[in-house]
Amino acid sequence: DGGITQSPKYLFRKEGQNVTLSCEQNLNHDAMYWYRQDPGQGLRLIYYSQIVNDFQKGDIAEGYSVSREKKESFPLTVTSAQKNPTAFYLCASSPRPTANTGELFFGEGSRLTVL
Amino acid sequence: AQSVTQLDSQVPVFEEAPVELRCNYSSSVSVYLFWYVQYPNQGLQLLLKYLSGSTLVKGINGFEAEFNKSQTSFHLRKPSVHISDTAEYFCALVGRRALTFGSGTRLQVQP
Repeated sequence: DGGITQSPKYLFRKEGQNVTLSCEQNLNHDAMYWYRQDPGQGLRLIYYSQIVNDFQKGDIAEGYSVSREKKESFPLTVTSAQKNPTAFYLCASSPRPTANTGELFFGEGSRLTVL
Repeated sequence: AQSVTQLDSQVPVFEEAPVELRCNYSSSVSVYLFWYVQYPNQGLQLLLKYLSGSTLVKGINGFEAEFNKSQTSFHLRKPSVHISDTAEYFCALVGRRALTFGSGTRLQVQP
């Protein structure tokens, strides 16, 4: 079945460690996105990529890094520079950049807890 | 700048009662609006979208929303809710780079 796969679903890390969240899609979508979700704050855009080998900062990019070496993959690294990394992270994709179509397709999310 | 405001963080309602979840937006460009639903510990699913045309939009699971340009609103409604509608609902607006989301409304359906 086509869709977006995020892994791991749950992740625990010690403070100061970098951690990488995986996001893979087999929908053949051009654009991919990472959002962070905190209670009462909705979803905030971390990074997005409209095409392979290109990505742009979102509203809260500090302390995060991404790569887009393949169309189907868009991993997110939460670095030790991120001051408050505990959150629910959502990856999404769209056939084209959302300015054209709007609809996003979401993965099931990864919950990161920093101890 | 574009923004989305969801006026209610939580809406409790009894089963089979009607419900309205409120959403207001601010945008200086063409308006494309969405409602998404999120069940616990899952991703978001699209309920409905307004791109153009009829201002009354029907979605999945019996939900509908009305686009009101003069009031800059896009409220979500359902005439009779079910326990299974308990979830968090997000209003979203197409922005310059990606979707801009509201803070969410938690719908709690009680028996």
